[in-house]
Amino acid sequence: RKEVEQDPGPFNVPEGATVAFNCTYSNSASQSFFWYRQDCRKEPKLLMSVYSSGNEDGRFTAQLNRASQYISLLIRDSKLSDSATYLCVLRDDKIIFGKGTRLHILP
Amino acid sequence: GAGVSQSPSNKVTEKGKDVELRCDPISGHTALYWYRQSLGQGLEFLIYFQGNSAPDKSGLPSDRFSAERTGGSVSTLTIQRTQQEDSAVYLCASSQTANTEAFFGQGTRLTVV
Repeated sequence: RKEVEQDPGPFNVPEGATVAFNCTYSNSASQSFFWYRQDCRKEPKLLMSVYSSGNEDGRFTAQLNRASQYISLLIRDSKLSDSATYLCVLRDDKIIFGKGTRLHILP
Repeated sequence: GAGVSQSPSNKVTEKGKDVELRCDPISGHTALYWYRQSLGQGLEFLIYFQGNSAPDKSGLPSDRFSAERTGGSVSTLTIQRTQQEDSAVYLCASSQTANTEAFFGQGTRLTVV
């Protein structure tokens, strides 16, 4: 089983809709979780950390479910500028990336 | 500087030449990482440093690749006798400690012709 698994998509979503991604991980000892976004031909950029209690940053909500070993990202009222690849990331000594989920917001 | 800085931003080299890529991490960050990404592909781990030591070199593709970090700051990734399959974007990231948020530089786009 891969360390981090994500649905590669693409998710084609109309502007204004709500979209959610999940990511599953195999190492139950993983402690730190993050979502990054990567635009085409750009470096990954930190979107938000993911905490056990769940956390929200504007239109973005991240959740961690340790029992089922998955994290999720919810984007509300999606904007055209949200179009990107969203990377699920675990931290131990290395930075462990999922392959990413591609999101296209349609006008 | 405020962020991770990589140089050069672009490098075109002839097959068989050596190249050196540089990464300046965020000041005070003890952990430094090198990844590479081919067009349309995911991120491939190369090596990471904690301070000046490299506990995990498992991602280096061959013995043509080496990296060092001095003074707990700047790191260089050296590729000897470059091959066309080395063409990729080489990304550097740093974090304050091993489990905290990591921040990426803009990468070096290497093209081997």
